[in-house]
Amino acid sequence: DAEITQSPRHKITETGRQVTLACHQTWNHNNMFWYRQDLGHGLRLIHYSYGVQDTNKGEVSDGYSVSRSNTEDLPLTLESAASSQTSVYFCASSESRDTRGRGYTFGSGTRLTVV
Amino acid sequence: AQSVTQLGSHVSVSEGALVLLRCNYSSSVPPYLFWYVQYPNQGLQLLLKYTTGATLVKGINGFEAEFKKSETSFHLTKPSAHMSDAAEYFCAVSGSGGYNKLIFGAGTRLAVHP
Repeated sequence: DAEITQSPRHKITETGRQVTLACHQTWNHNNMFWYRQDLGHGLRLIHYSYGVQDTNKGEVSDGYSVSRSNTEDLPLTLESAASSQTSVYFCASSESRDTRGRGYTFGSGTRLTVV
Repeated sequence: AQSVTQLGSHVSVSEGALVLLRCNYSSSVPPYLFWYVQYPNQGLQLLLKYTTGATLVKGINGFEAEFKKSETSFHLTKPSAHMSDAAEYFCAVSGSGGYNKLIFGAGTRLAVHP
């Protein structure tokens, strides 16, 4: 069965370190998204991609970067981790750029703690 | 631009009681509207969506929602709550057409008591 997997599930890192969160999907979806989930804010969009070599900034992109070298993967990098980046991170993918379709498929999340 | 407001960060109901989770949206274009559910330690799952056509939308697990353009609302209801409905619920909006992204509300945590 097709799936979207995130790794690691939990991560503790120190302030100032570079961290990369992995997202891998086998749906063959062109569109992939990274959200962070914080209490009182719901899910906020960090970065997204509509295909290989395409990346776009979301509403909370400062301090984060992504790259898309193939269809399956959209890794999220925190260039220099800060305590404000402690959060739960969700990756999602979708088949169509029109959200009328089957909607987004979400991974199970990565809980990141920056100490 | 689009935005979503979910009224009430926590809702508590008794088992068998009506569930009502409120969502109001703002959109500069005809919206598409969604409800997602998140069970503990899991990702989000789509409950239901409104895109065009019938304004009363039925989803999984007995939930339904009604799009009311005049009230800019998309409230989620279920006639009779089950213990298994305890979860966090997110309302989301996107613009119609392509190249649009989902914008989520802050979420409502539903507790169901025996």
